[in-house]
Amino acid sequence: GENVEQHPSTLSVQEGDSAVIKCTYSDSASNYFPWYKQELGKGPQLIIDIRSNVGEKKDQRIAVTLNKTAKHFSLHITETQPEDSAVYFCAASKGNQGGKLIFGQGTELSVKP
Amino acid sequence: ETGVTQTPRHLVMGMTNKKSLKCEQHLGHNAMYWYKQSAKKPLELMFVYSLEERVENNSVPSRFSPECPNSSHLFLHLHTLQPEDSALYLCASTKYPVRWDTQYFGPGTRLTVL
Repeated sequence: GENVEQHPSTLSVQEGDSAVIKCTYSDSASNYFPWYKQELGKGPQLIIDIRSNVGEKKDQRIAVTLNKTAKHFSLHITETQPEDSAVYFCAASKGNQGGKLIFGQGTELSVKP
Repeated sequence: ETGVTQTPRHLVMGMTNKKSLKCEQHLGHNAMYWYKQSAKKPLELMFVYSLEERVENNSVPSRFSPECPNSSHLFLHLHTLQPEDSALYLCASTKYPVRWDTQYFGPGTRLTVL
């Protein structure tokens, strides 16, 4: 079945620096790739997503890139702020399997002031 | 506030207890989900309900029993759990039961099984 690997598991950056989180997926039929942010004591919340017909998508300080050939996608956060500190999850899904998303293991991002 | 509420937020139970987790969504969505979140592991999808009908059960042990009485409410009934069932249980909803629809998560119930 589909498998999603996420790296790194923890990431610490200084405020203002950029952060990059990478995910790889195993099933080439996957065509939808969302990113979720989970703050302490809350459930995950969608921050950006990308479909397989585009290679990059940007929303203010957040961007996601997709390389279908290599089967990996990445989250880029620029000008990081302390409020960006959270756990970030990537996910992938394919075909017509309803709302089933396969999640990565999560990356705990810490932004130090 | 995502529009999805879960109660209780914390639950401690013994292995012989019976308890229930409740989820309610105020978004007018038609699909609801239960996930299990364990430390350092990916979110695991447990059950999917579409229009109150269970459409997916991902090999979850029978000690977990879901119930969806209407499109706004979802329950997870627990009985004779094991310590390894301790985790954060998340409920989510989507407007449609399709893969590209944004999942709205509740804050979760932190379950500890003694």
